[in-house]
Amino acid sequence: QKEVEQNSGPLSVPEGAIASLNCTYSDRGSQSFFWYRQYSGKSPELIMFIYSNGDKEDGRFTAQLNKASQYVSLLIRDSQPSDSATYLCAGGNTGNQFYFGTGTSLTVIP
Amino acid sequence: EPEVTQTPSHQVTQMGQEVILRCVPISNHLYFYWYRQILGQKVEFLVSFYNNEISEKSEIFDDQFSVERPDGSNFTLKIRSTKLEDSAMYFCASTGWDHLNYGYTFGSGTRLTVV
Repeated sequence: QKEVEQNSGPLSVPEGAIASLNCTYSDRGSQSFFWYRQYSGKSPELIMFIYSNGDKEDGRFTAQLNKASQYVSLLIRDSQPSDSATYLCAGGNTGNQFYFGTGTSLTVIP
Repeated sequence: EPEVTQTPSHQVTQMGQEVILRCVPISNHLYFYWYRQILGQKVEFLVSFYNNEISEKSEIFDDQFSVERPDGSNFTLKIRSTKLEDSAMYFCASTGWDHLNYGYTFGSGTRLTVV
């Protein structure tokens, strides 16, 4: 069974702080991992993907992957109220489908 | 920026009726998907479609579901006889040849309400 697990939260951080979102996965064959942001009632929007061990930075976002521990994280620096959303972690392998976690709800408090 | 377009945005149907959800994927994409999300739950895979045929499907995608790409641009999901538990947001997604490096682009979704 291929699973992606996320802490559902809610996670609250003050504006300007670092938000840390975590995800674990069960399928060692997973090759790439994706972070999507989903506002209430809207479709998921891709923020970042990562497939190599280590860190990948894009603006205020940093994705981290540790394949030995089967762990993926997303750091959001200088959090803004507009970052308040549900963040979905997804894993993909050579098959076609991605496996999504249940999402972590993030609230950034002004 | 290219978009995946879905219509209608909201569909209400009576239990037992057939519904067709429509999607126009990004034009140069090769892989097409349907996912659904029941309110408050995770995004669940239904089916993937490549080269004019289904490449993978989940347990959810039973005989009541079918997909078609009738004209080279539209990609449809048909539910033959809807049940109350089919009420969900249905997302179409598409991707190019290298989905592992670029992920999916999702459409804005169709909210299906079965009454």
